[in-house]
Amino acid sequence: GNSVTQMEGPVTLSEEAFLTINCTYTATGYPSLFWYVQYPGEGLQLLLKATKADDKGSNKGFEATYRKETTSFHLEKGSVQVSDSAVYFCALSDQDGRDDKIIFGKGTRLHILP
Amino acid sequence: GAGVSQSPSNKVTEKGKDVELRCDPISGHTALYWYRQSLGQGLEFLIYFQGNSAPDKSGLPSDRFSAERTGGSVSTLTIQRTQQEDSAVYLCASSLWPPPEQFFGPGTRLTVL
Repeated sequence: GNSVTQMEGPVTLSEEAFLTINCTYTATGYPSLFWYVQYPGEGLQLLLKATKADDKGSNKGFEATYRKETTSFHLEKGSVQVSDSAVYFCALSDQDGRDDKIIFGKGTRLHILP
Repeated sequence: GAGVSQSPSNKVTEKGKDVELRCDPISGHTALYWYRQSLGQGLEFLIYFQGNSAPDKSGLPSDRFSAERTGGSVSTLTIQRTQQEDSAVYLCASSLWPPPEQFFGPGTRLTVL
C-alpha cells in the first residue's frame, strides 16, 4: 500500500540555519505530494504541493522537489526563522492507485532557537 | 463558510459517556475526512466520506466509533462509552474530488477523565 516516511523529530536549529526535512514515499500510481504545516495551537494548513515528477513546490521560502527516481519530496529552507517553529507533515494523494485518501507521514516537529 | 469549522473546540467528558463531534466542511466539497491526532503522534486516519457514503471505514479504532454525513455536508463523529485512550484532537478535513488537497478544521480537543 501507499505510505509516507519522514524523518523523526524534534529538529532543533538556530535562526538563519539551513533546514532539510526528509520525506520518502511508496505509491502504486502517480501521486501528488504535499507538505502541510501545523503551527502551535492551530490546525493543519497546506504549505506547498507538487503534482508530477520534477515539479518544485514553493511557499514562504520553503521548497520541495518531486523526485520520482528517489521517491522523495524533501522540504528545504535556506534560512529559518523562529516563526517557522511548527510540526511539518509530508503527504501523498494517489489518484491513480487504490487509495482514495491522502496518506500522511507522522510529522516532524521543528524548533527554531533565536 | 470560508473554511472548515468544527464544534465544540474543546470537550471534557467522563469515562463511559458518549460524545458527538461535529464538522462543517467547505461548501461544495464532496469529500470529508476524520483524523485523530494524539499527543506526540501523527495523523491517524479514521474515516472518509464521498458524498454521504463512507467507502473507507478502515481507520475506525473500534465499534464504539461511528460517523455519519447527511445532505452531503455536515458530518458527526460519535464515540460511545468513551475511554481515556480516546483523548486526542479530532481533526476534520474536506476537499474536492478527487482530492488535490485537503482543508483542515481547527479540531476538537477531547479529554476523557
